[in-house]
Amino acid sequence: AQSVSQHNHHVILSEAASLELGCNYSYGGTVNLFWYVQYPGQHLQLLLKYFSGDPLVKGIKGFEAEFIKSKFSFNLRKPSVQWSDTAEYFCAVNSYKLSFGAGTTVTVRA
Amino acid sequence: EAQVTQNPRYLITVTGKKLTVTCSQNMNHEYMSWYRQDPGLGLRQIYYSMNVEVTDKGDVPEGYKVSRKEKRNFPLILESPSPNQTSLYFCASSLGQGGSYEQYFGPGTRLTVT
Repeated sequence: AQSVSQHNHHVILSEAASLELGCNYSYGGTVNLFWYVQYPGQHLQLLLKYFSGDPLVKGIKGFEAEFIKSKFSFNLRKPSVQWSDTAEYFCAVNSYKLSFGAGTTVTVRA
Repeated sequence: EAQVTQNPRYLITVTGKKLTVTCSQNMNHEYMSWYRQDPGLGLRQIYYSMNVEVTDKGDVPEGYKVSRKEKRNFPLILESPSPNQTSLYFCASSLGQGGSYEQYFGPGTRLTVT
């Protein structure tokens, strides 16, 4: 069975700090990987996705993620966060079905 | 503007009173699905539809029904709502299932069942 695990439930950091959110999945076959973001009161929107090629993927708003196949991981990073990055972040894996992680709430203090 | 719309956005109802949450997309997407979002559990798929008249159960289908009579619409029906169905519901659509297709989400419907 496929599952997605996000390491942190809630992350609190200050503006300009670096952010890294962990995501691991359990599926041995070909996968497509996504990070979605949900800003307060809004719907989910796509940050970035990986389906093939360069394992380092760049998305919107300065986010990037690295696919490490040997570790079954797809961690999200941002070198310097802003207050506006306060949101909930979801990792998702699509193989034979689309599965979401439980989400990580990120609070950025001004 | 390409979008997924849901109505209503907020709903408070009582146990047992049938309700329908509508979902519509204007992107000619074949694949549509419903999710519920609960704290600590992320998004869990309720039902999905590969195309008109083709629907199937997701991970948490109990207590829900769906229909897909037209490509653009995918309503979620709760025949007899119960308090454990209090949740935030999202409709989503995409070009297809699987692969690298991006899901487009609606704004969400916050349902409270008392």
